[in-house]
Amino acid sequence: NAGVTQTPKFQVLKTGQSMTLQCAQDMNHNSMYWYRQDPGMGLRLIYYSASEGTTDKGEVPNGYNVSRLNKREFSLRLESAAPSQTSVYFCASSERKLSPYEQYFGPGTRLTVT
Amino acid sequence: KQEVTQIPAALSVPEGENLVLNCSFTDSAIYNLQWFRQDPGKGLTSLLLIQSSQREQTSGRLNASLDKSSGRSTLYIAASQPGDSATYLCAADNYGQNFVFGPGTRLSVLP
Repeated sequence: NAGVTQTPKFQVLKTGQSMTLQCAQDMNHNSMYWYRQDPGMGLRLIYYSASEGTTDKGEVPNGYNVSRLNKREFSLRLESAAPSQTSVYFCASSERKLSPYEQYFGPGTRLTVT
Repeated sequence: KQEVTQIPAALSVPEGENLVLNCSFTDSAIYNLQWFRQDPGKGLTSLLLIQSSQREQTSGRLNASLDKSSGRSTLYIAASQPGDSATYLCAADNYGQNFVFGPGTRLSVLP
């Protein structure tokens, strides 16, 4: 039982390049989330998926797209990376059909855009 | 819009002290409040989750309380140890929405 896994762990991009961050969970959770963490700002929600086949914008969705590939996998895509997207990205999952909706986090992806 | 703040931003204490970390939220209509620990360069580890119908939760040396009416939660750490050094984040879960995180309190426990 690996919990929530993320790939890659580190990535350096040049401005304008694209990439996809991968996330998978093996806890059979319905809900999955993508957050970014910046110094002094806590975690901010980018997108979430309440269930397979649905996605919704969070607080800071601009510049990102997501795909809920199946129940296990939720990917985050940067189409044209910008330096402002330098951050640590976390994927999380929870089971919102069962109280109390506890969130479980992956180890994060450190992204630098030059 | 829910906003979550944490005080203090950083705290340094000698080993063995009891300490309290504070979390405040602006919208009292929360479903849960969850406390996390984050070690440098690592992901978040869940410590305690308090449902809106509860007033506190305990796990070992940790005790978290919730007062929805005042918009506050506290995390109490008893007999602190150097291994407790980390950043502690609280997150409020609004009904039908998702978690809103505070900026965290960076704790250093000195041996």
